[in-house]
Amino acid sequence: GAGVSQSPSNKVTEKGKDVELRCDPISGHTALYWYRQSLGQGLEFLIYFQGNSAPDKSGLPSDRFSAERTGGSVSTLTIQRTQQEDSAVYLCASSPPGQGRETQYFGPGTRLLVL
Amino acid sequence: GENVEQHPSTLSVQEGDSAVIKCTYSDSASNYFPWYKQELGKRPQLIIDIRSNVGEKKDQRIAVTLNKTAKHFSLHITETQPEDSAVYFCAASKFGGGGADGLTFGKGTHLIIQP
Repeated sequence: GAGVSQSPSNKVTEKGKDVELRCDPISGHTALYWYRQSLGQGLEFLIYFQGNSAPDKSGLPSDRFSAERTGGSVSTLTIQRTQQEDSAVYLCASSPPGQGRETQYFGPGTRLLVL
Repeated sequence: GENVEQHPSTLSVQEGDSAVIKCTYSDSASNYFPWYKQELGKRPQLIIDIRSNVGEKKDQRIAVTLNKTAKHFSLHITETQPEDSAVYFCAASKFGGGGADGLTFGKGTHLIIQP
């Protein structure tokens, strides 16, 4: 079946502008995660949605970052007033319910460049 | 919060030899330890994982060992092949009935297989 998809695949923006990144999880997956991967760095957890529960926002680096998940499916990560240090690959992952719920499947990422 | 250390950052081995990558974690409550392989420009792909109730798991040429007392786990790749060249990430998280927390990743190991 279809895997996790993300759009856009690449985004170039100017410092100070807002950007929205989209994630479509695997159909039926109840958990959705956002991560950030900076050049040469590992993956940094940002936020986690599980069903209808309140999201775990403990990884968001500043209040310029926010995320929504509508209808328990698609998620949007919004970065307001972008800074050059926000340049990174933003990865989304999803997990199924029940058996195997710990396994996260990653999307291809959105490569964000802030000029 | 959880902290995952990964060593070495770069590992070069001759084709056919074995490769070992080691990780330590700090949170004794972590109970799930996946390993991801990431090729240049691609998404992270799960290659093997282990839960805290198991000490070792093997899948063909790949094996993972876990020492809960020492809080470290290792990836072993035997009979390495050129296609094993990639960056490998270890990770740790807690999961339970309600789902799994976001993963805390190590910084990655760049594995180079020399022909």
